Amino acid sequence: EAQVTQNPRYLITVTGKKLTVTCSQNMNHEYMSWYRQDPGLGLRQIYYSMNVEVTDKGDVPEGYKVSRKEKRNFPLILESPSPNQTSLYFCASSLGQTAIAGDTQYFGPGTRLTVL
Amino acid sequence: LAKTTQPISMDSYEGQEVNITCSHNNIATNDYITWYQQFPSQGPRFIIQGYKTKVTNEVASLFIPADRKSSTLSLPRVSLSDTAVYYCLVGGVYNFNKFYFGSGTKLNVKP
Repeated sequence: EAQVTQNPRYLITVTGKKLTVTCSQNMNHEYMSWYRQDPGLGLRQIYYSMNVEVTDKGDVPEGYKVSRKEKRNFPLILESPSPNQTSLYFCASSLGQTAIAGDTQYFGPGTRLTVL
Repeated sequence: LAKTTQPISMDSYEGQEVNITCSHNNIATNDYITWYQQFPSQGPRFIIQGYKTKVTNEVASLFIPADRKSSTLSLPRVSLSDTAVYYCLVGGVYNFNKFYFGSGTKLNVKP
């Protein structure tokens, strides 16, 4: 089944304790992206990756890191989490540059993160 | 990247047709218009995409006027399960790297 998976689905942690949220897709997609969603603010893009080894900042990159060593994986790293990073996080993938028309994204199930 | 404007919320009743309009005044020549649906605590899901005129699939229709500065998502005969947030996005092959979802339109379907 074509899908985007994220782990963990739920995480409660404390300020300053480094954490990684994994994201994997099995659709051979070039493009991957991370979003956070907060009440009243909709979805905001954190980082995106056009293809392997190529990443760039979205609208809200502060406090986050990403890496794209393999095509299928795009982990989100919080080196020193703070309470304002408490949010619902979504990973997404799409054809990207290989799309011949408008691109469409496929989203993971989400990771609900609480930083105390 | 063309940004969009949608109503914050809409109410409807079961069995009615619902039309949600999105404004995108600075849409570029190569941009497509895509609509997503999101249920609480789930990731957005693709509904429909179009470039001009009208597009129809098994769940919705998308109407795009000739000037392409707006688009209308039409949901026929909605049910309670259509209660969700609907997002309109504009982007294309040449500027797809960043996606702007905005706050979307919260559709509330009543019995």
